[in-house]
Amino acid sequence: DSGVTQTPKHLITATGQRVTLRCSPRSGDLSVYWYQQSLDQGLQFLIQYYNGEERAKGNILERFSAQQFPDLHSELNLSSLELGDSALYFCASSISTGGEQYFGPGTRLTVT
Amino acid sequence: KNQVEQSPQSLIILEGKNCTLQCNYTVSPFSNLRWYKQDTGRGPVSLTIMTFSENTKSNGRYTATLDADTKQSSLHITASQLSDSASYICVVSEKSSASKIIFGSGTRLSIRP
Repeated sequence: DSGVTQTPKHLITATGQRVTLRCSPRSGDLSVYWYQQSLDQGLQFLIQYYNGEERAKGNILERFSAQQFPDLHSELNLSSLELGDSALYFCASSISTGGEQYFGPGTRLTVT
Repeated sequence: KNQVEQSPQSLIILEGKNCTLQCNYTVSPFSNLRWYKQDTGRGPVSLTIMTFSENTKSNGRYTATLDADTKQSSLHITASQLSDSASYICVVSEKSSASKIIFGSGTRLSIRP
């Protein structure tokens, strides 16, 4: 158990819909990262927050957005969902930017 | 362009045998290199982390090496077990921007009984 929690574990929704994925970092970690992993693909970095502020952006679509709240939990919002958005979404946290990342168990999103 | 290349893409070995996975990178300036193990459908778990000055680090049956001059790293698994079946991911951090982290595409390792 990494100490990072993600909810929900599974999510099934239809095309065009909007969903919110939630992540609670390890206690004391200020940095949160979001990744997407499609079937049999590598991890794709989406976005990083540090202490409430966006720190780095990766291959994140405009339909996706994220935020980190004062209590340091983070949410990833996915809108106008397409079939290709079906993937595992991982959250990771670290004490500082660039520190070792601890990954959550992931949220499996299925868009039908 | 900063890149991390892993080889082989996939590997099948018999239980009890040893194997070595490779990681070549072009990330510069270099901060650190990590190896992660990812079981199917699970989040990656860190195995080792090495900085510029370290050239070997062990974690049980896993031993990672780093040659910062040639920008190569390897992960050696000794006396493989069925539970070693997973993807192994090499991740390199850039020093200039701590949040610049480049992931390799991973090596998928299968251990056969």
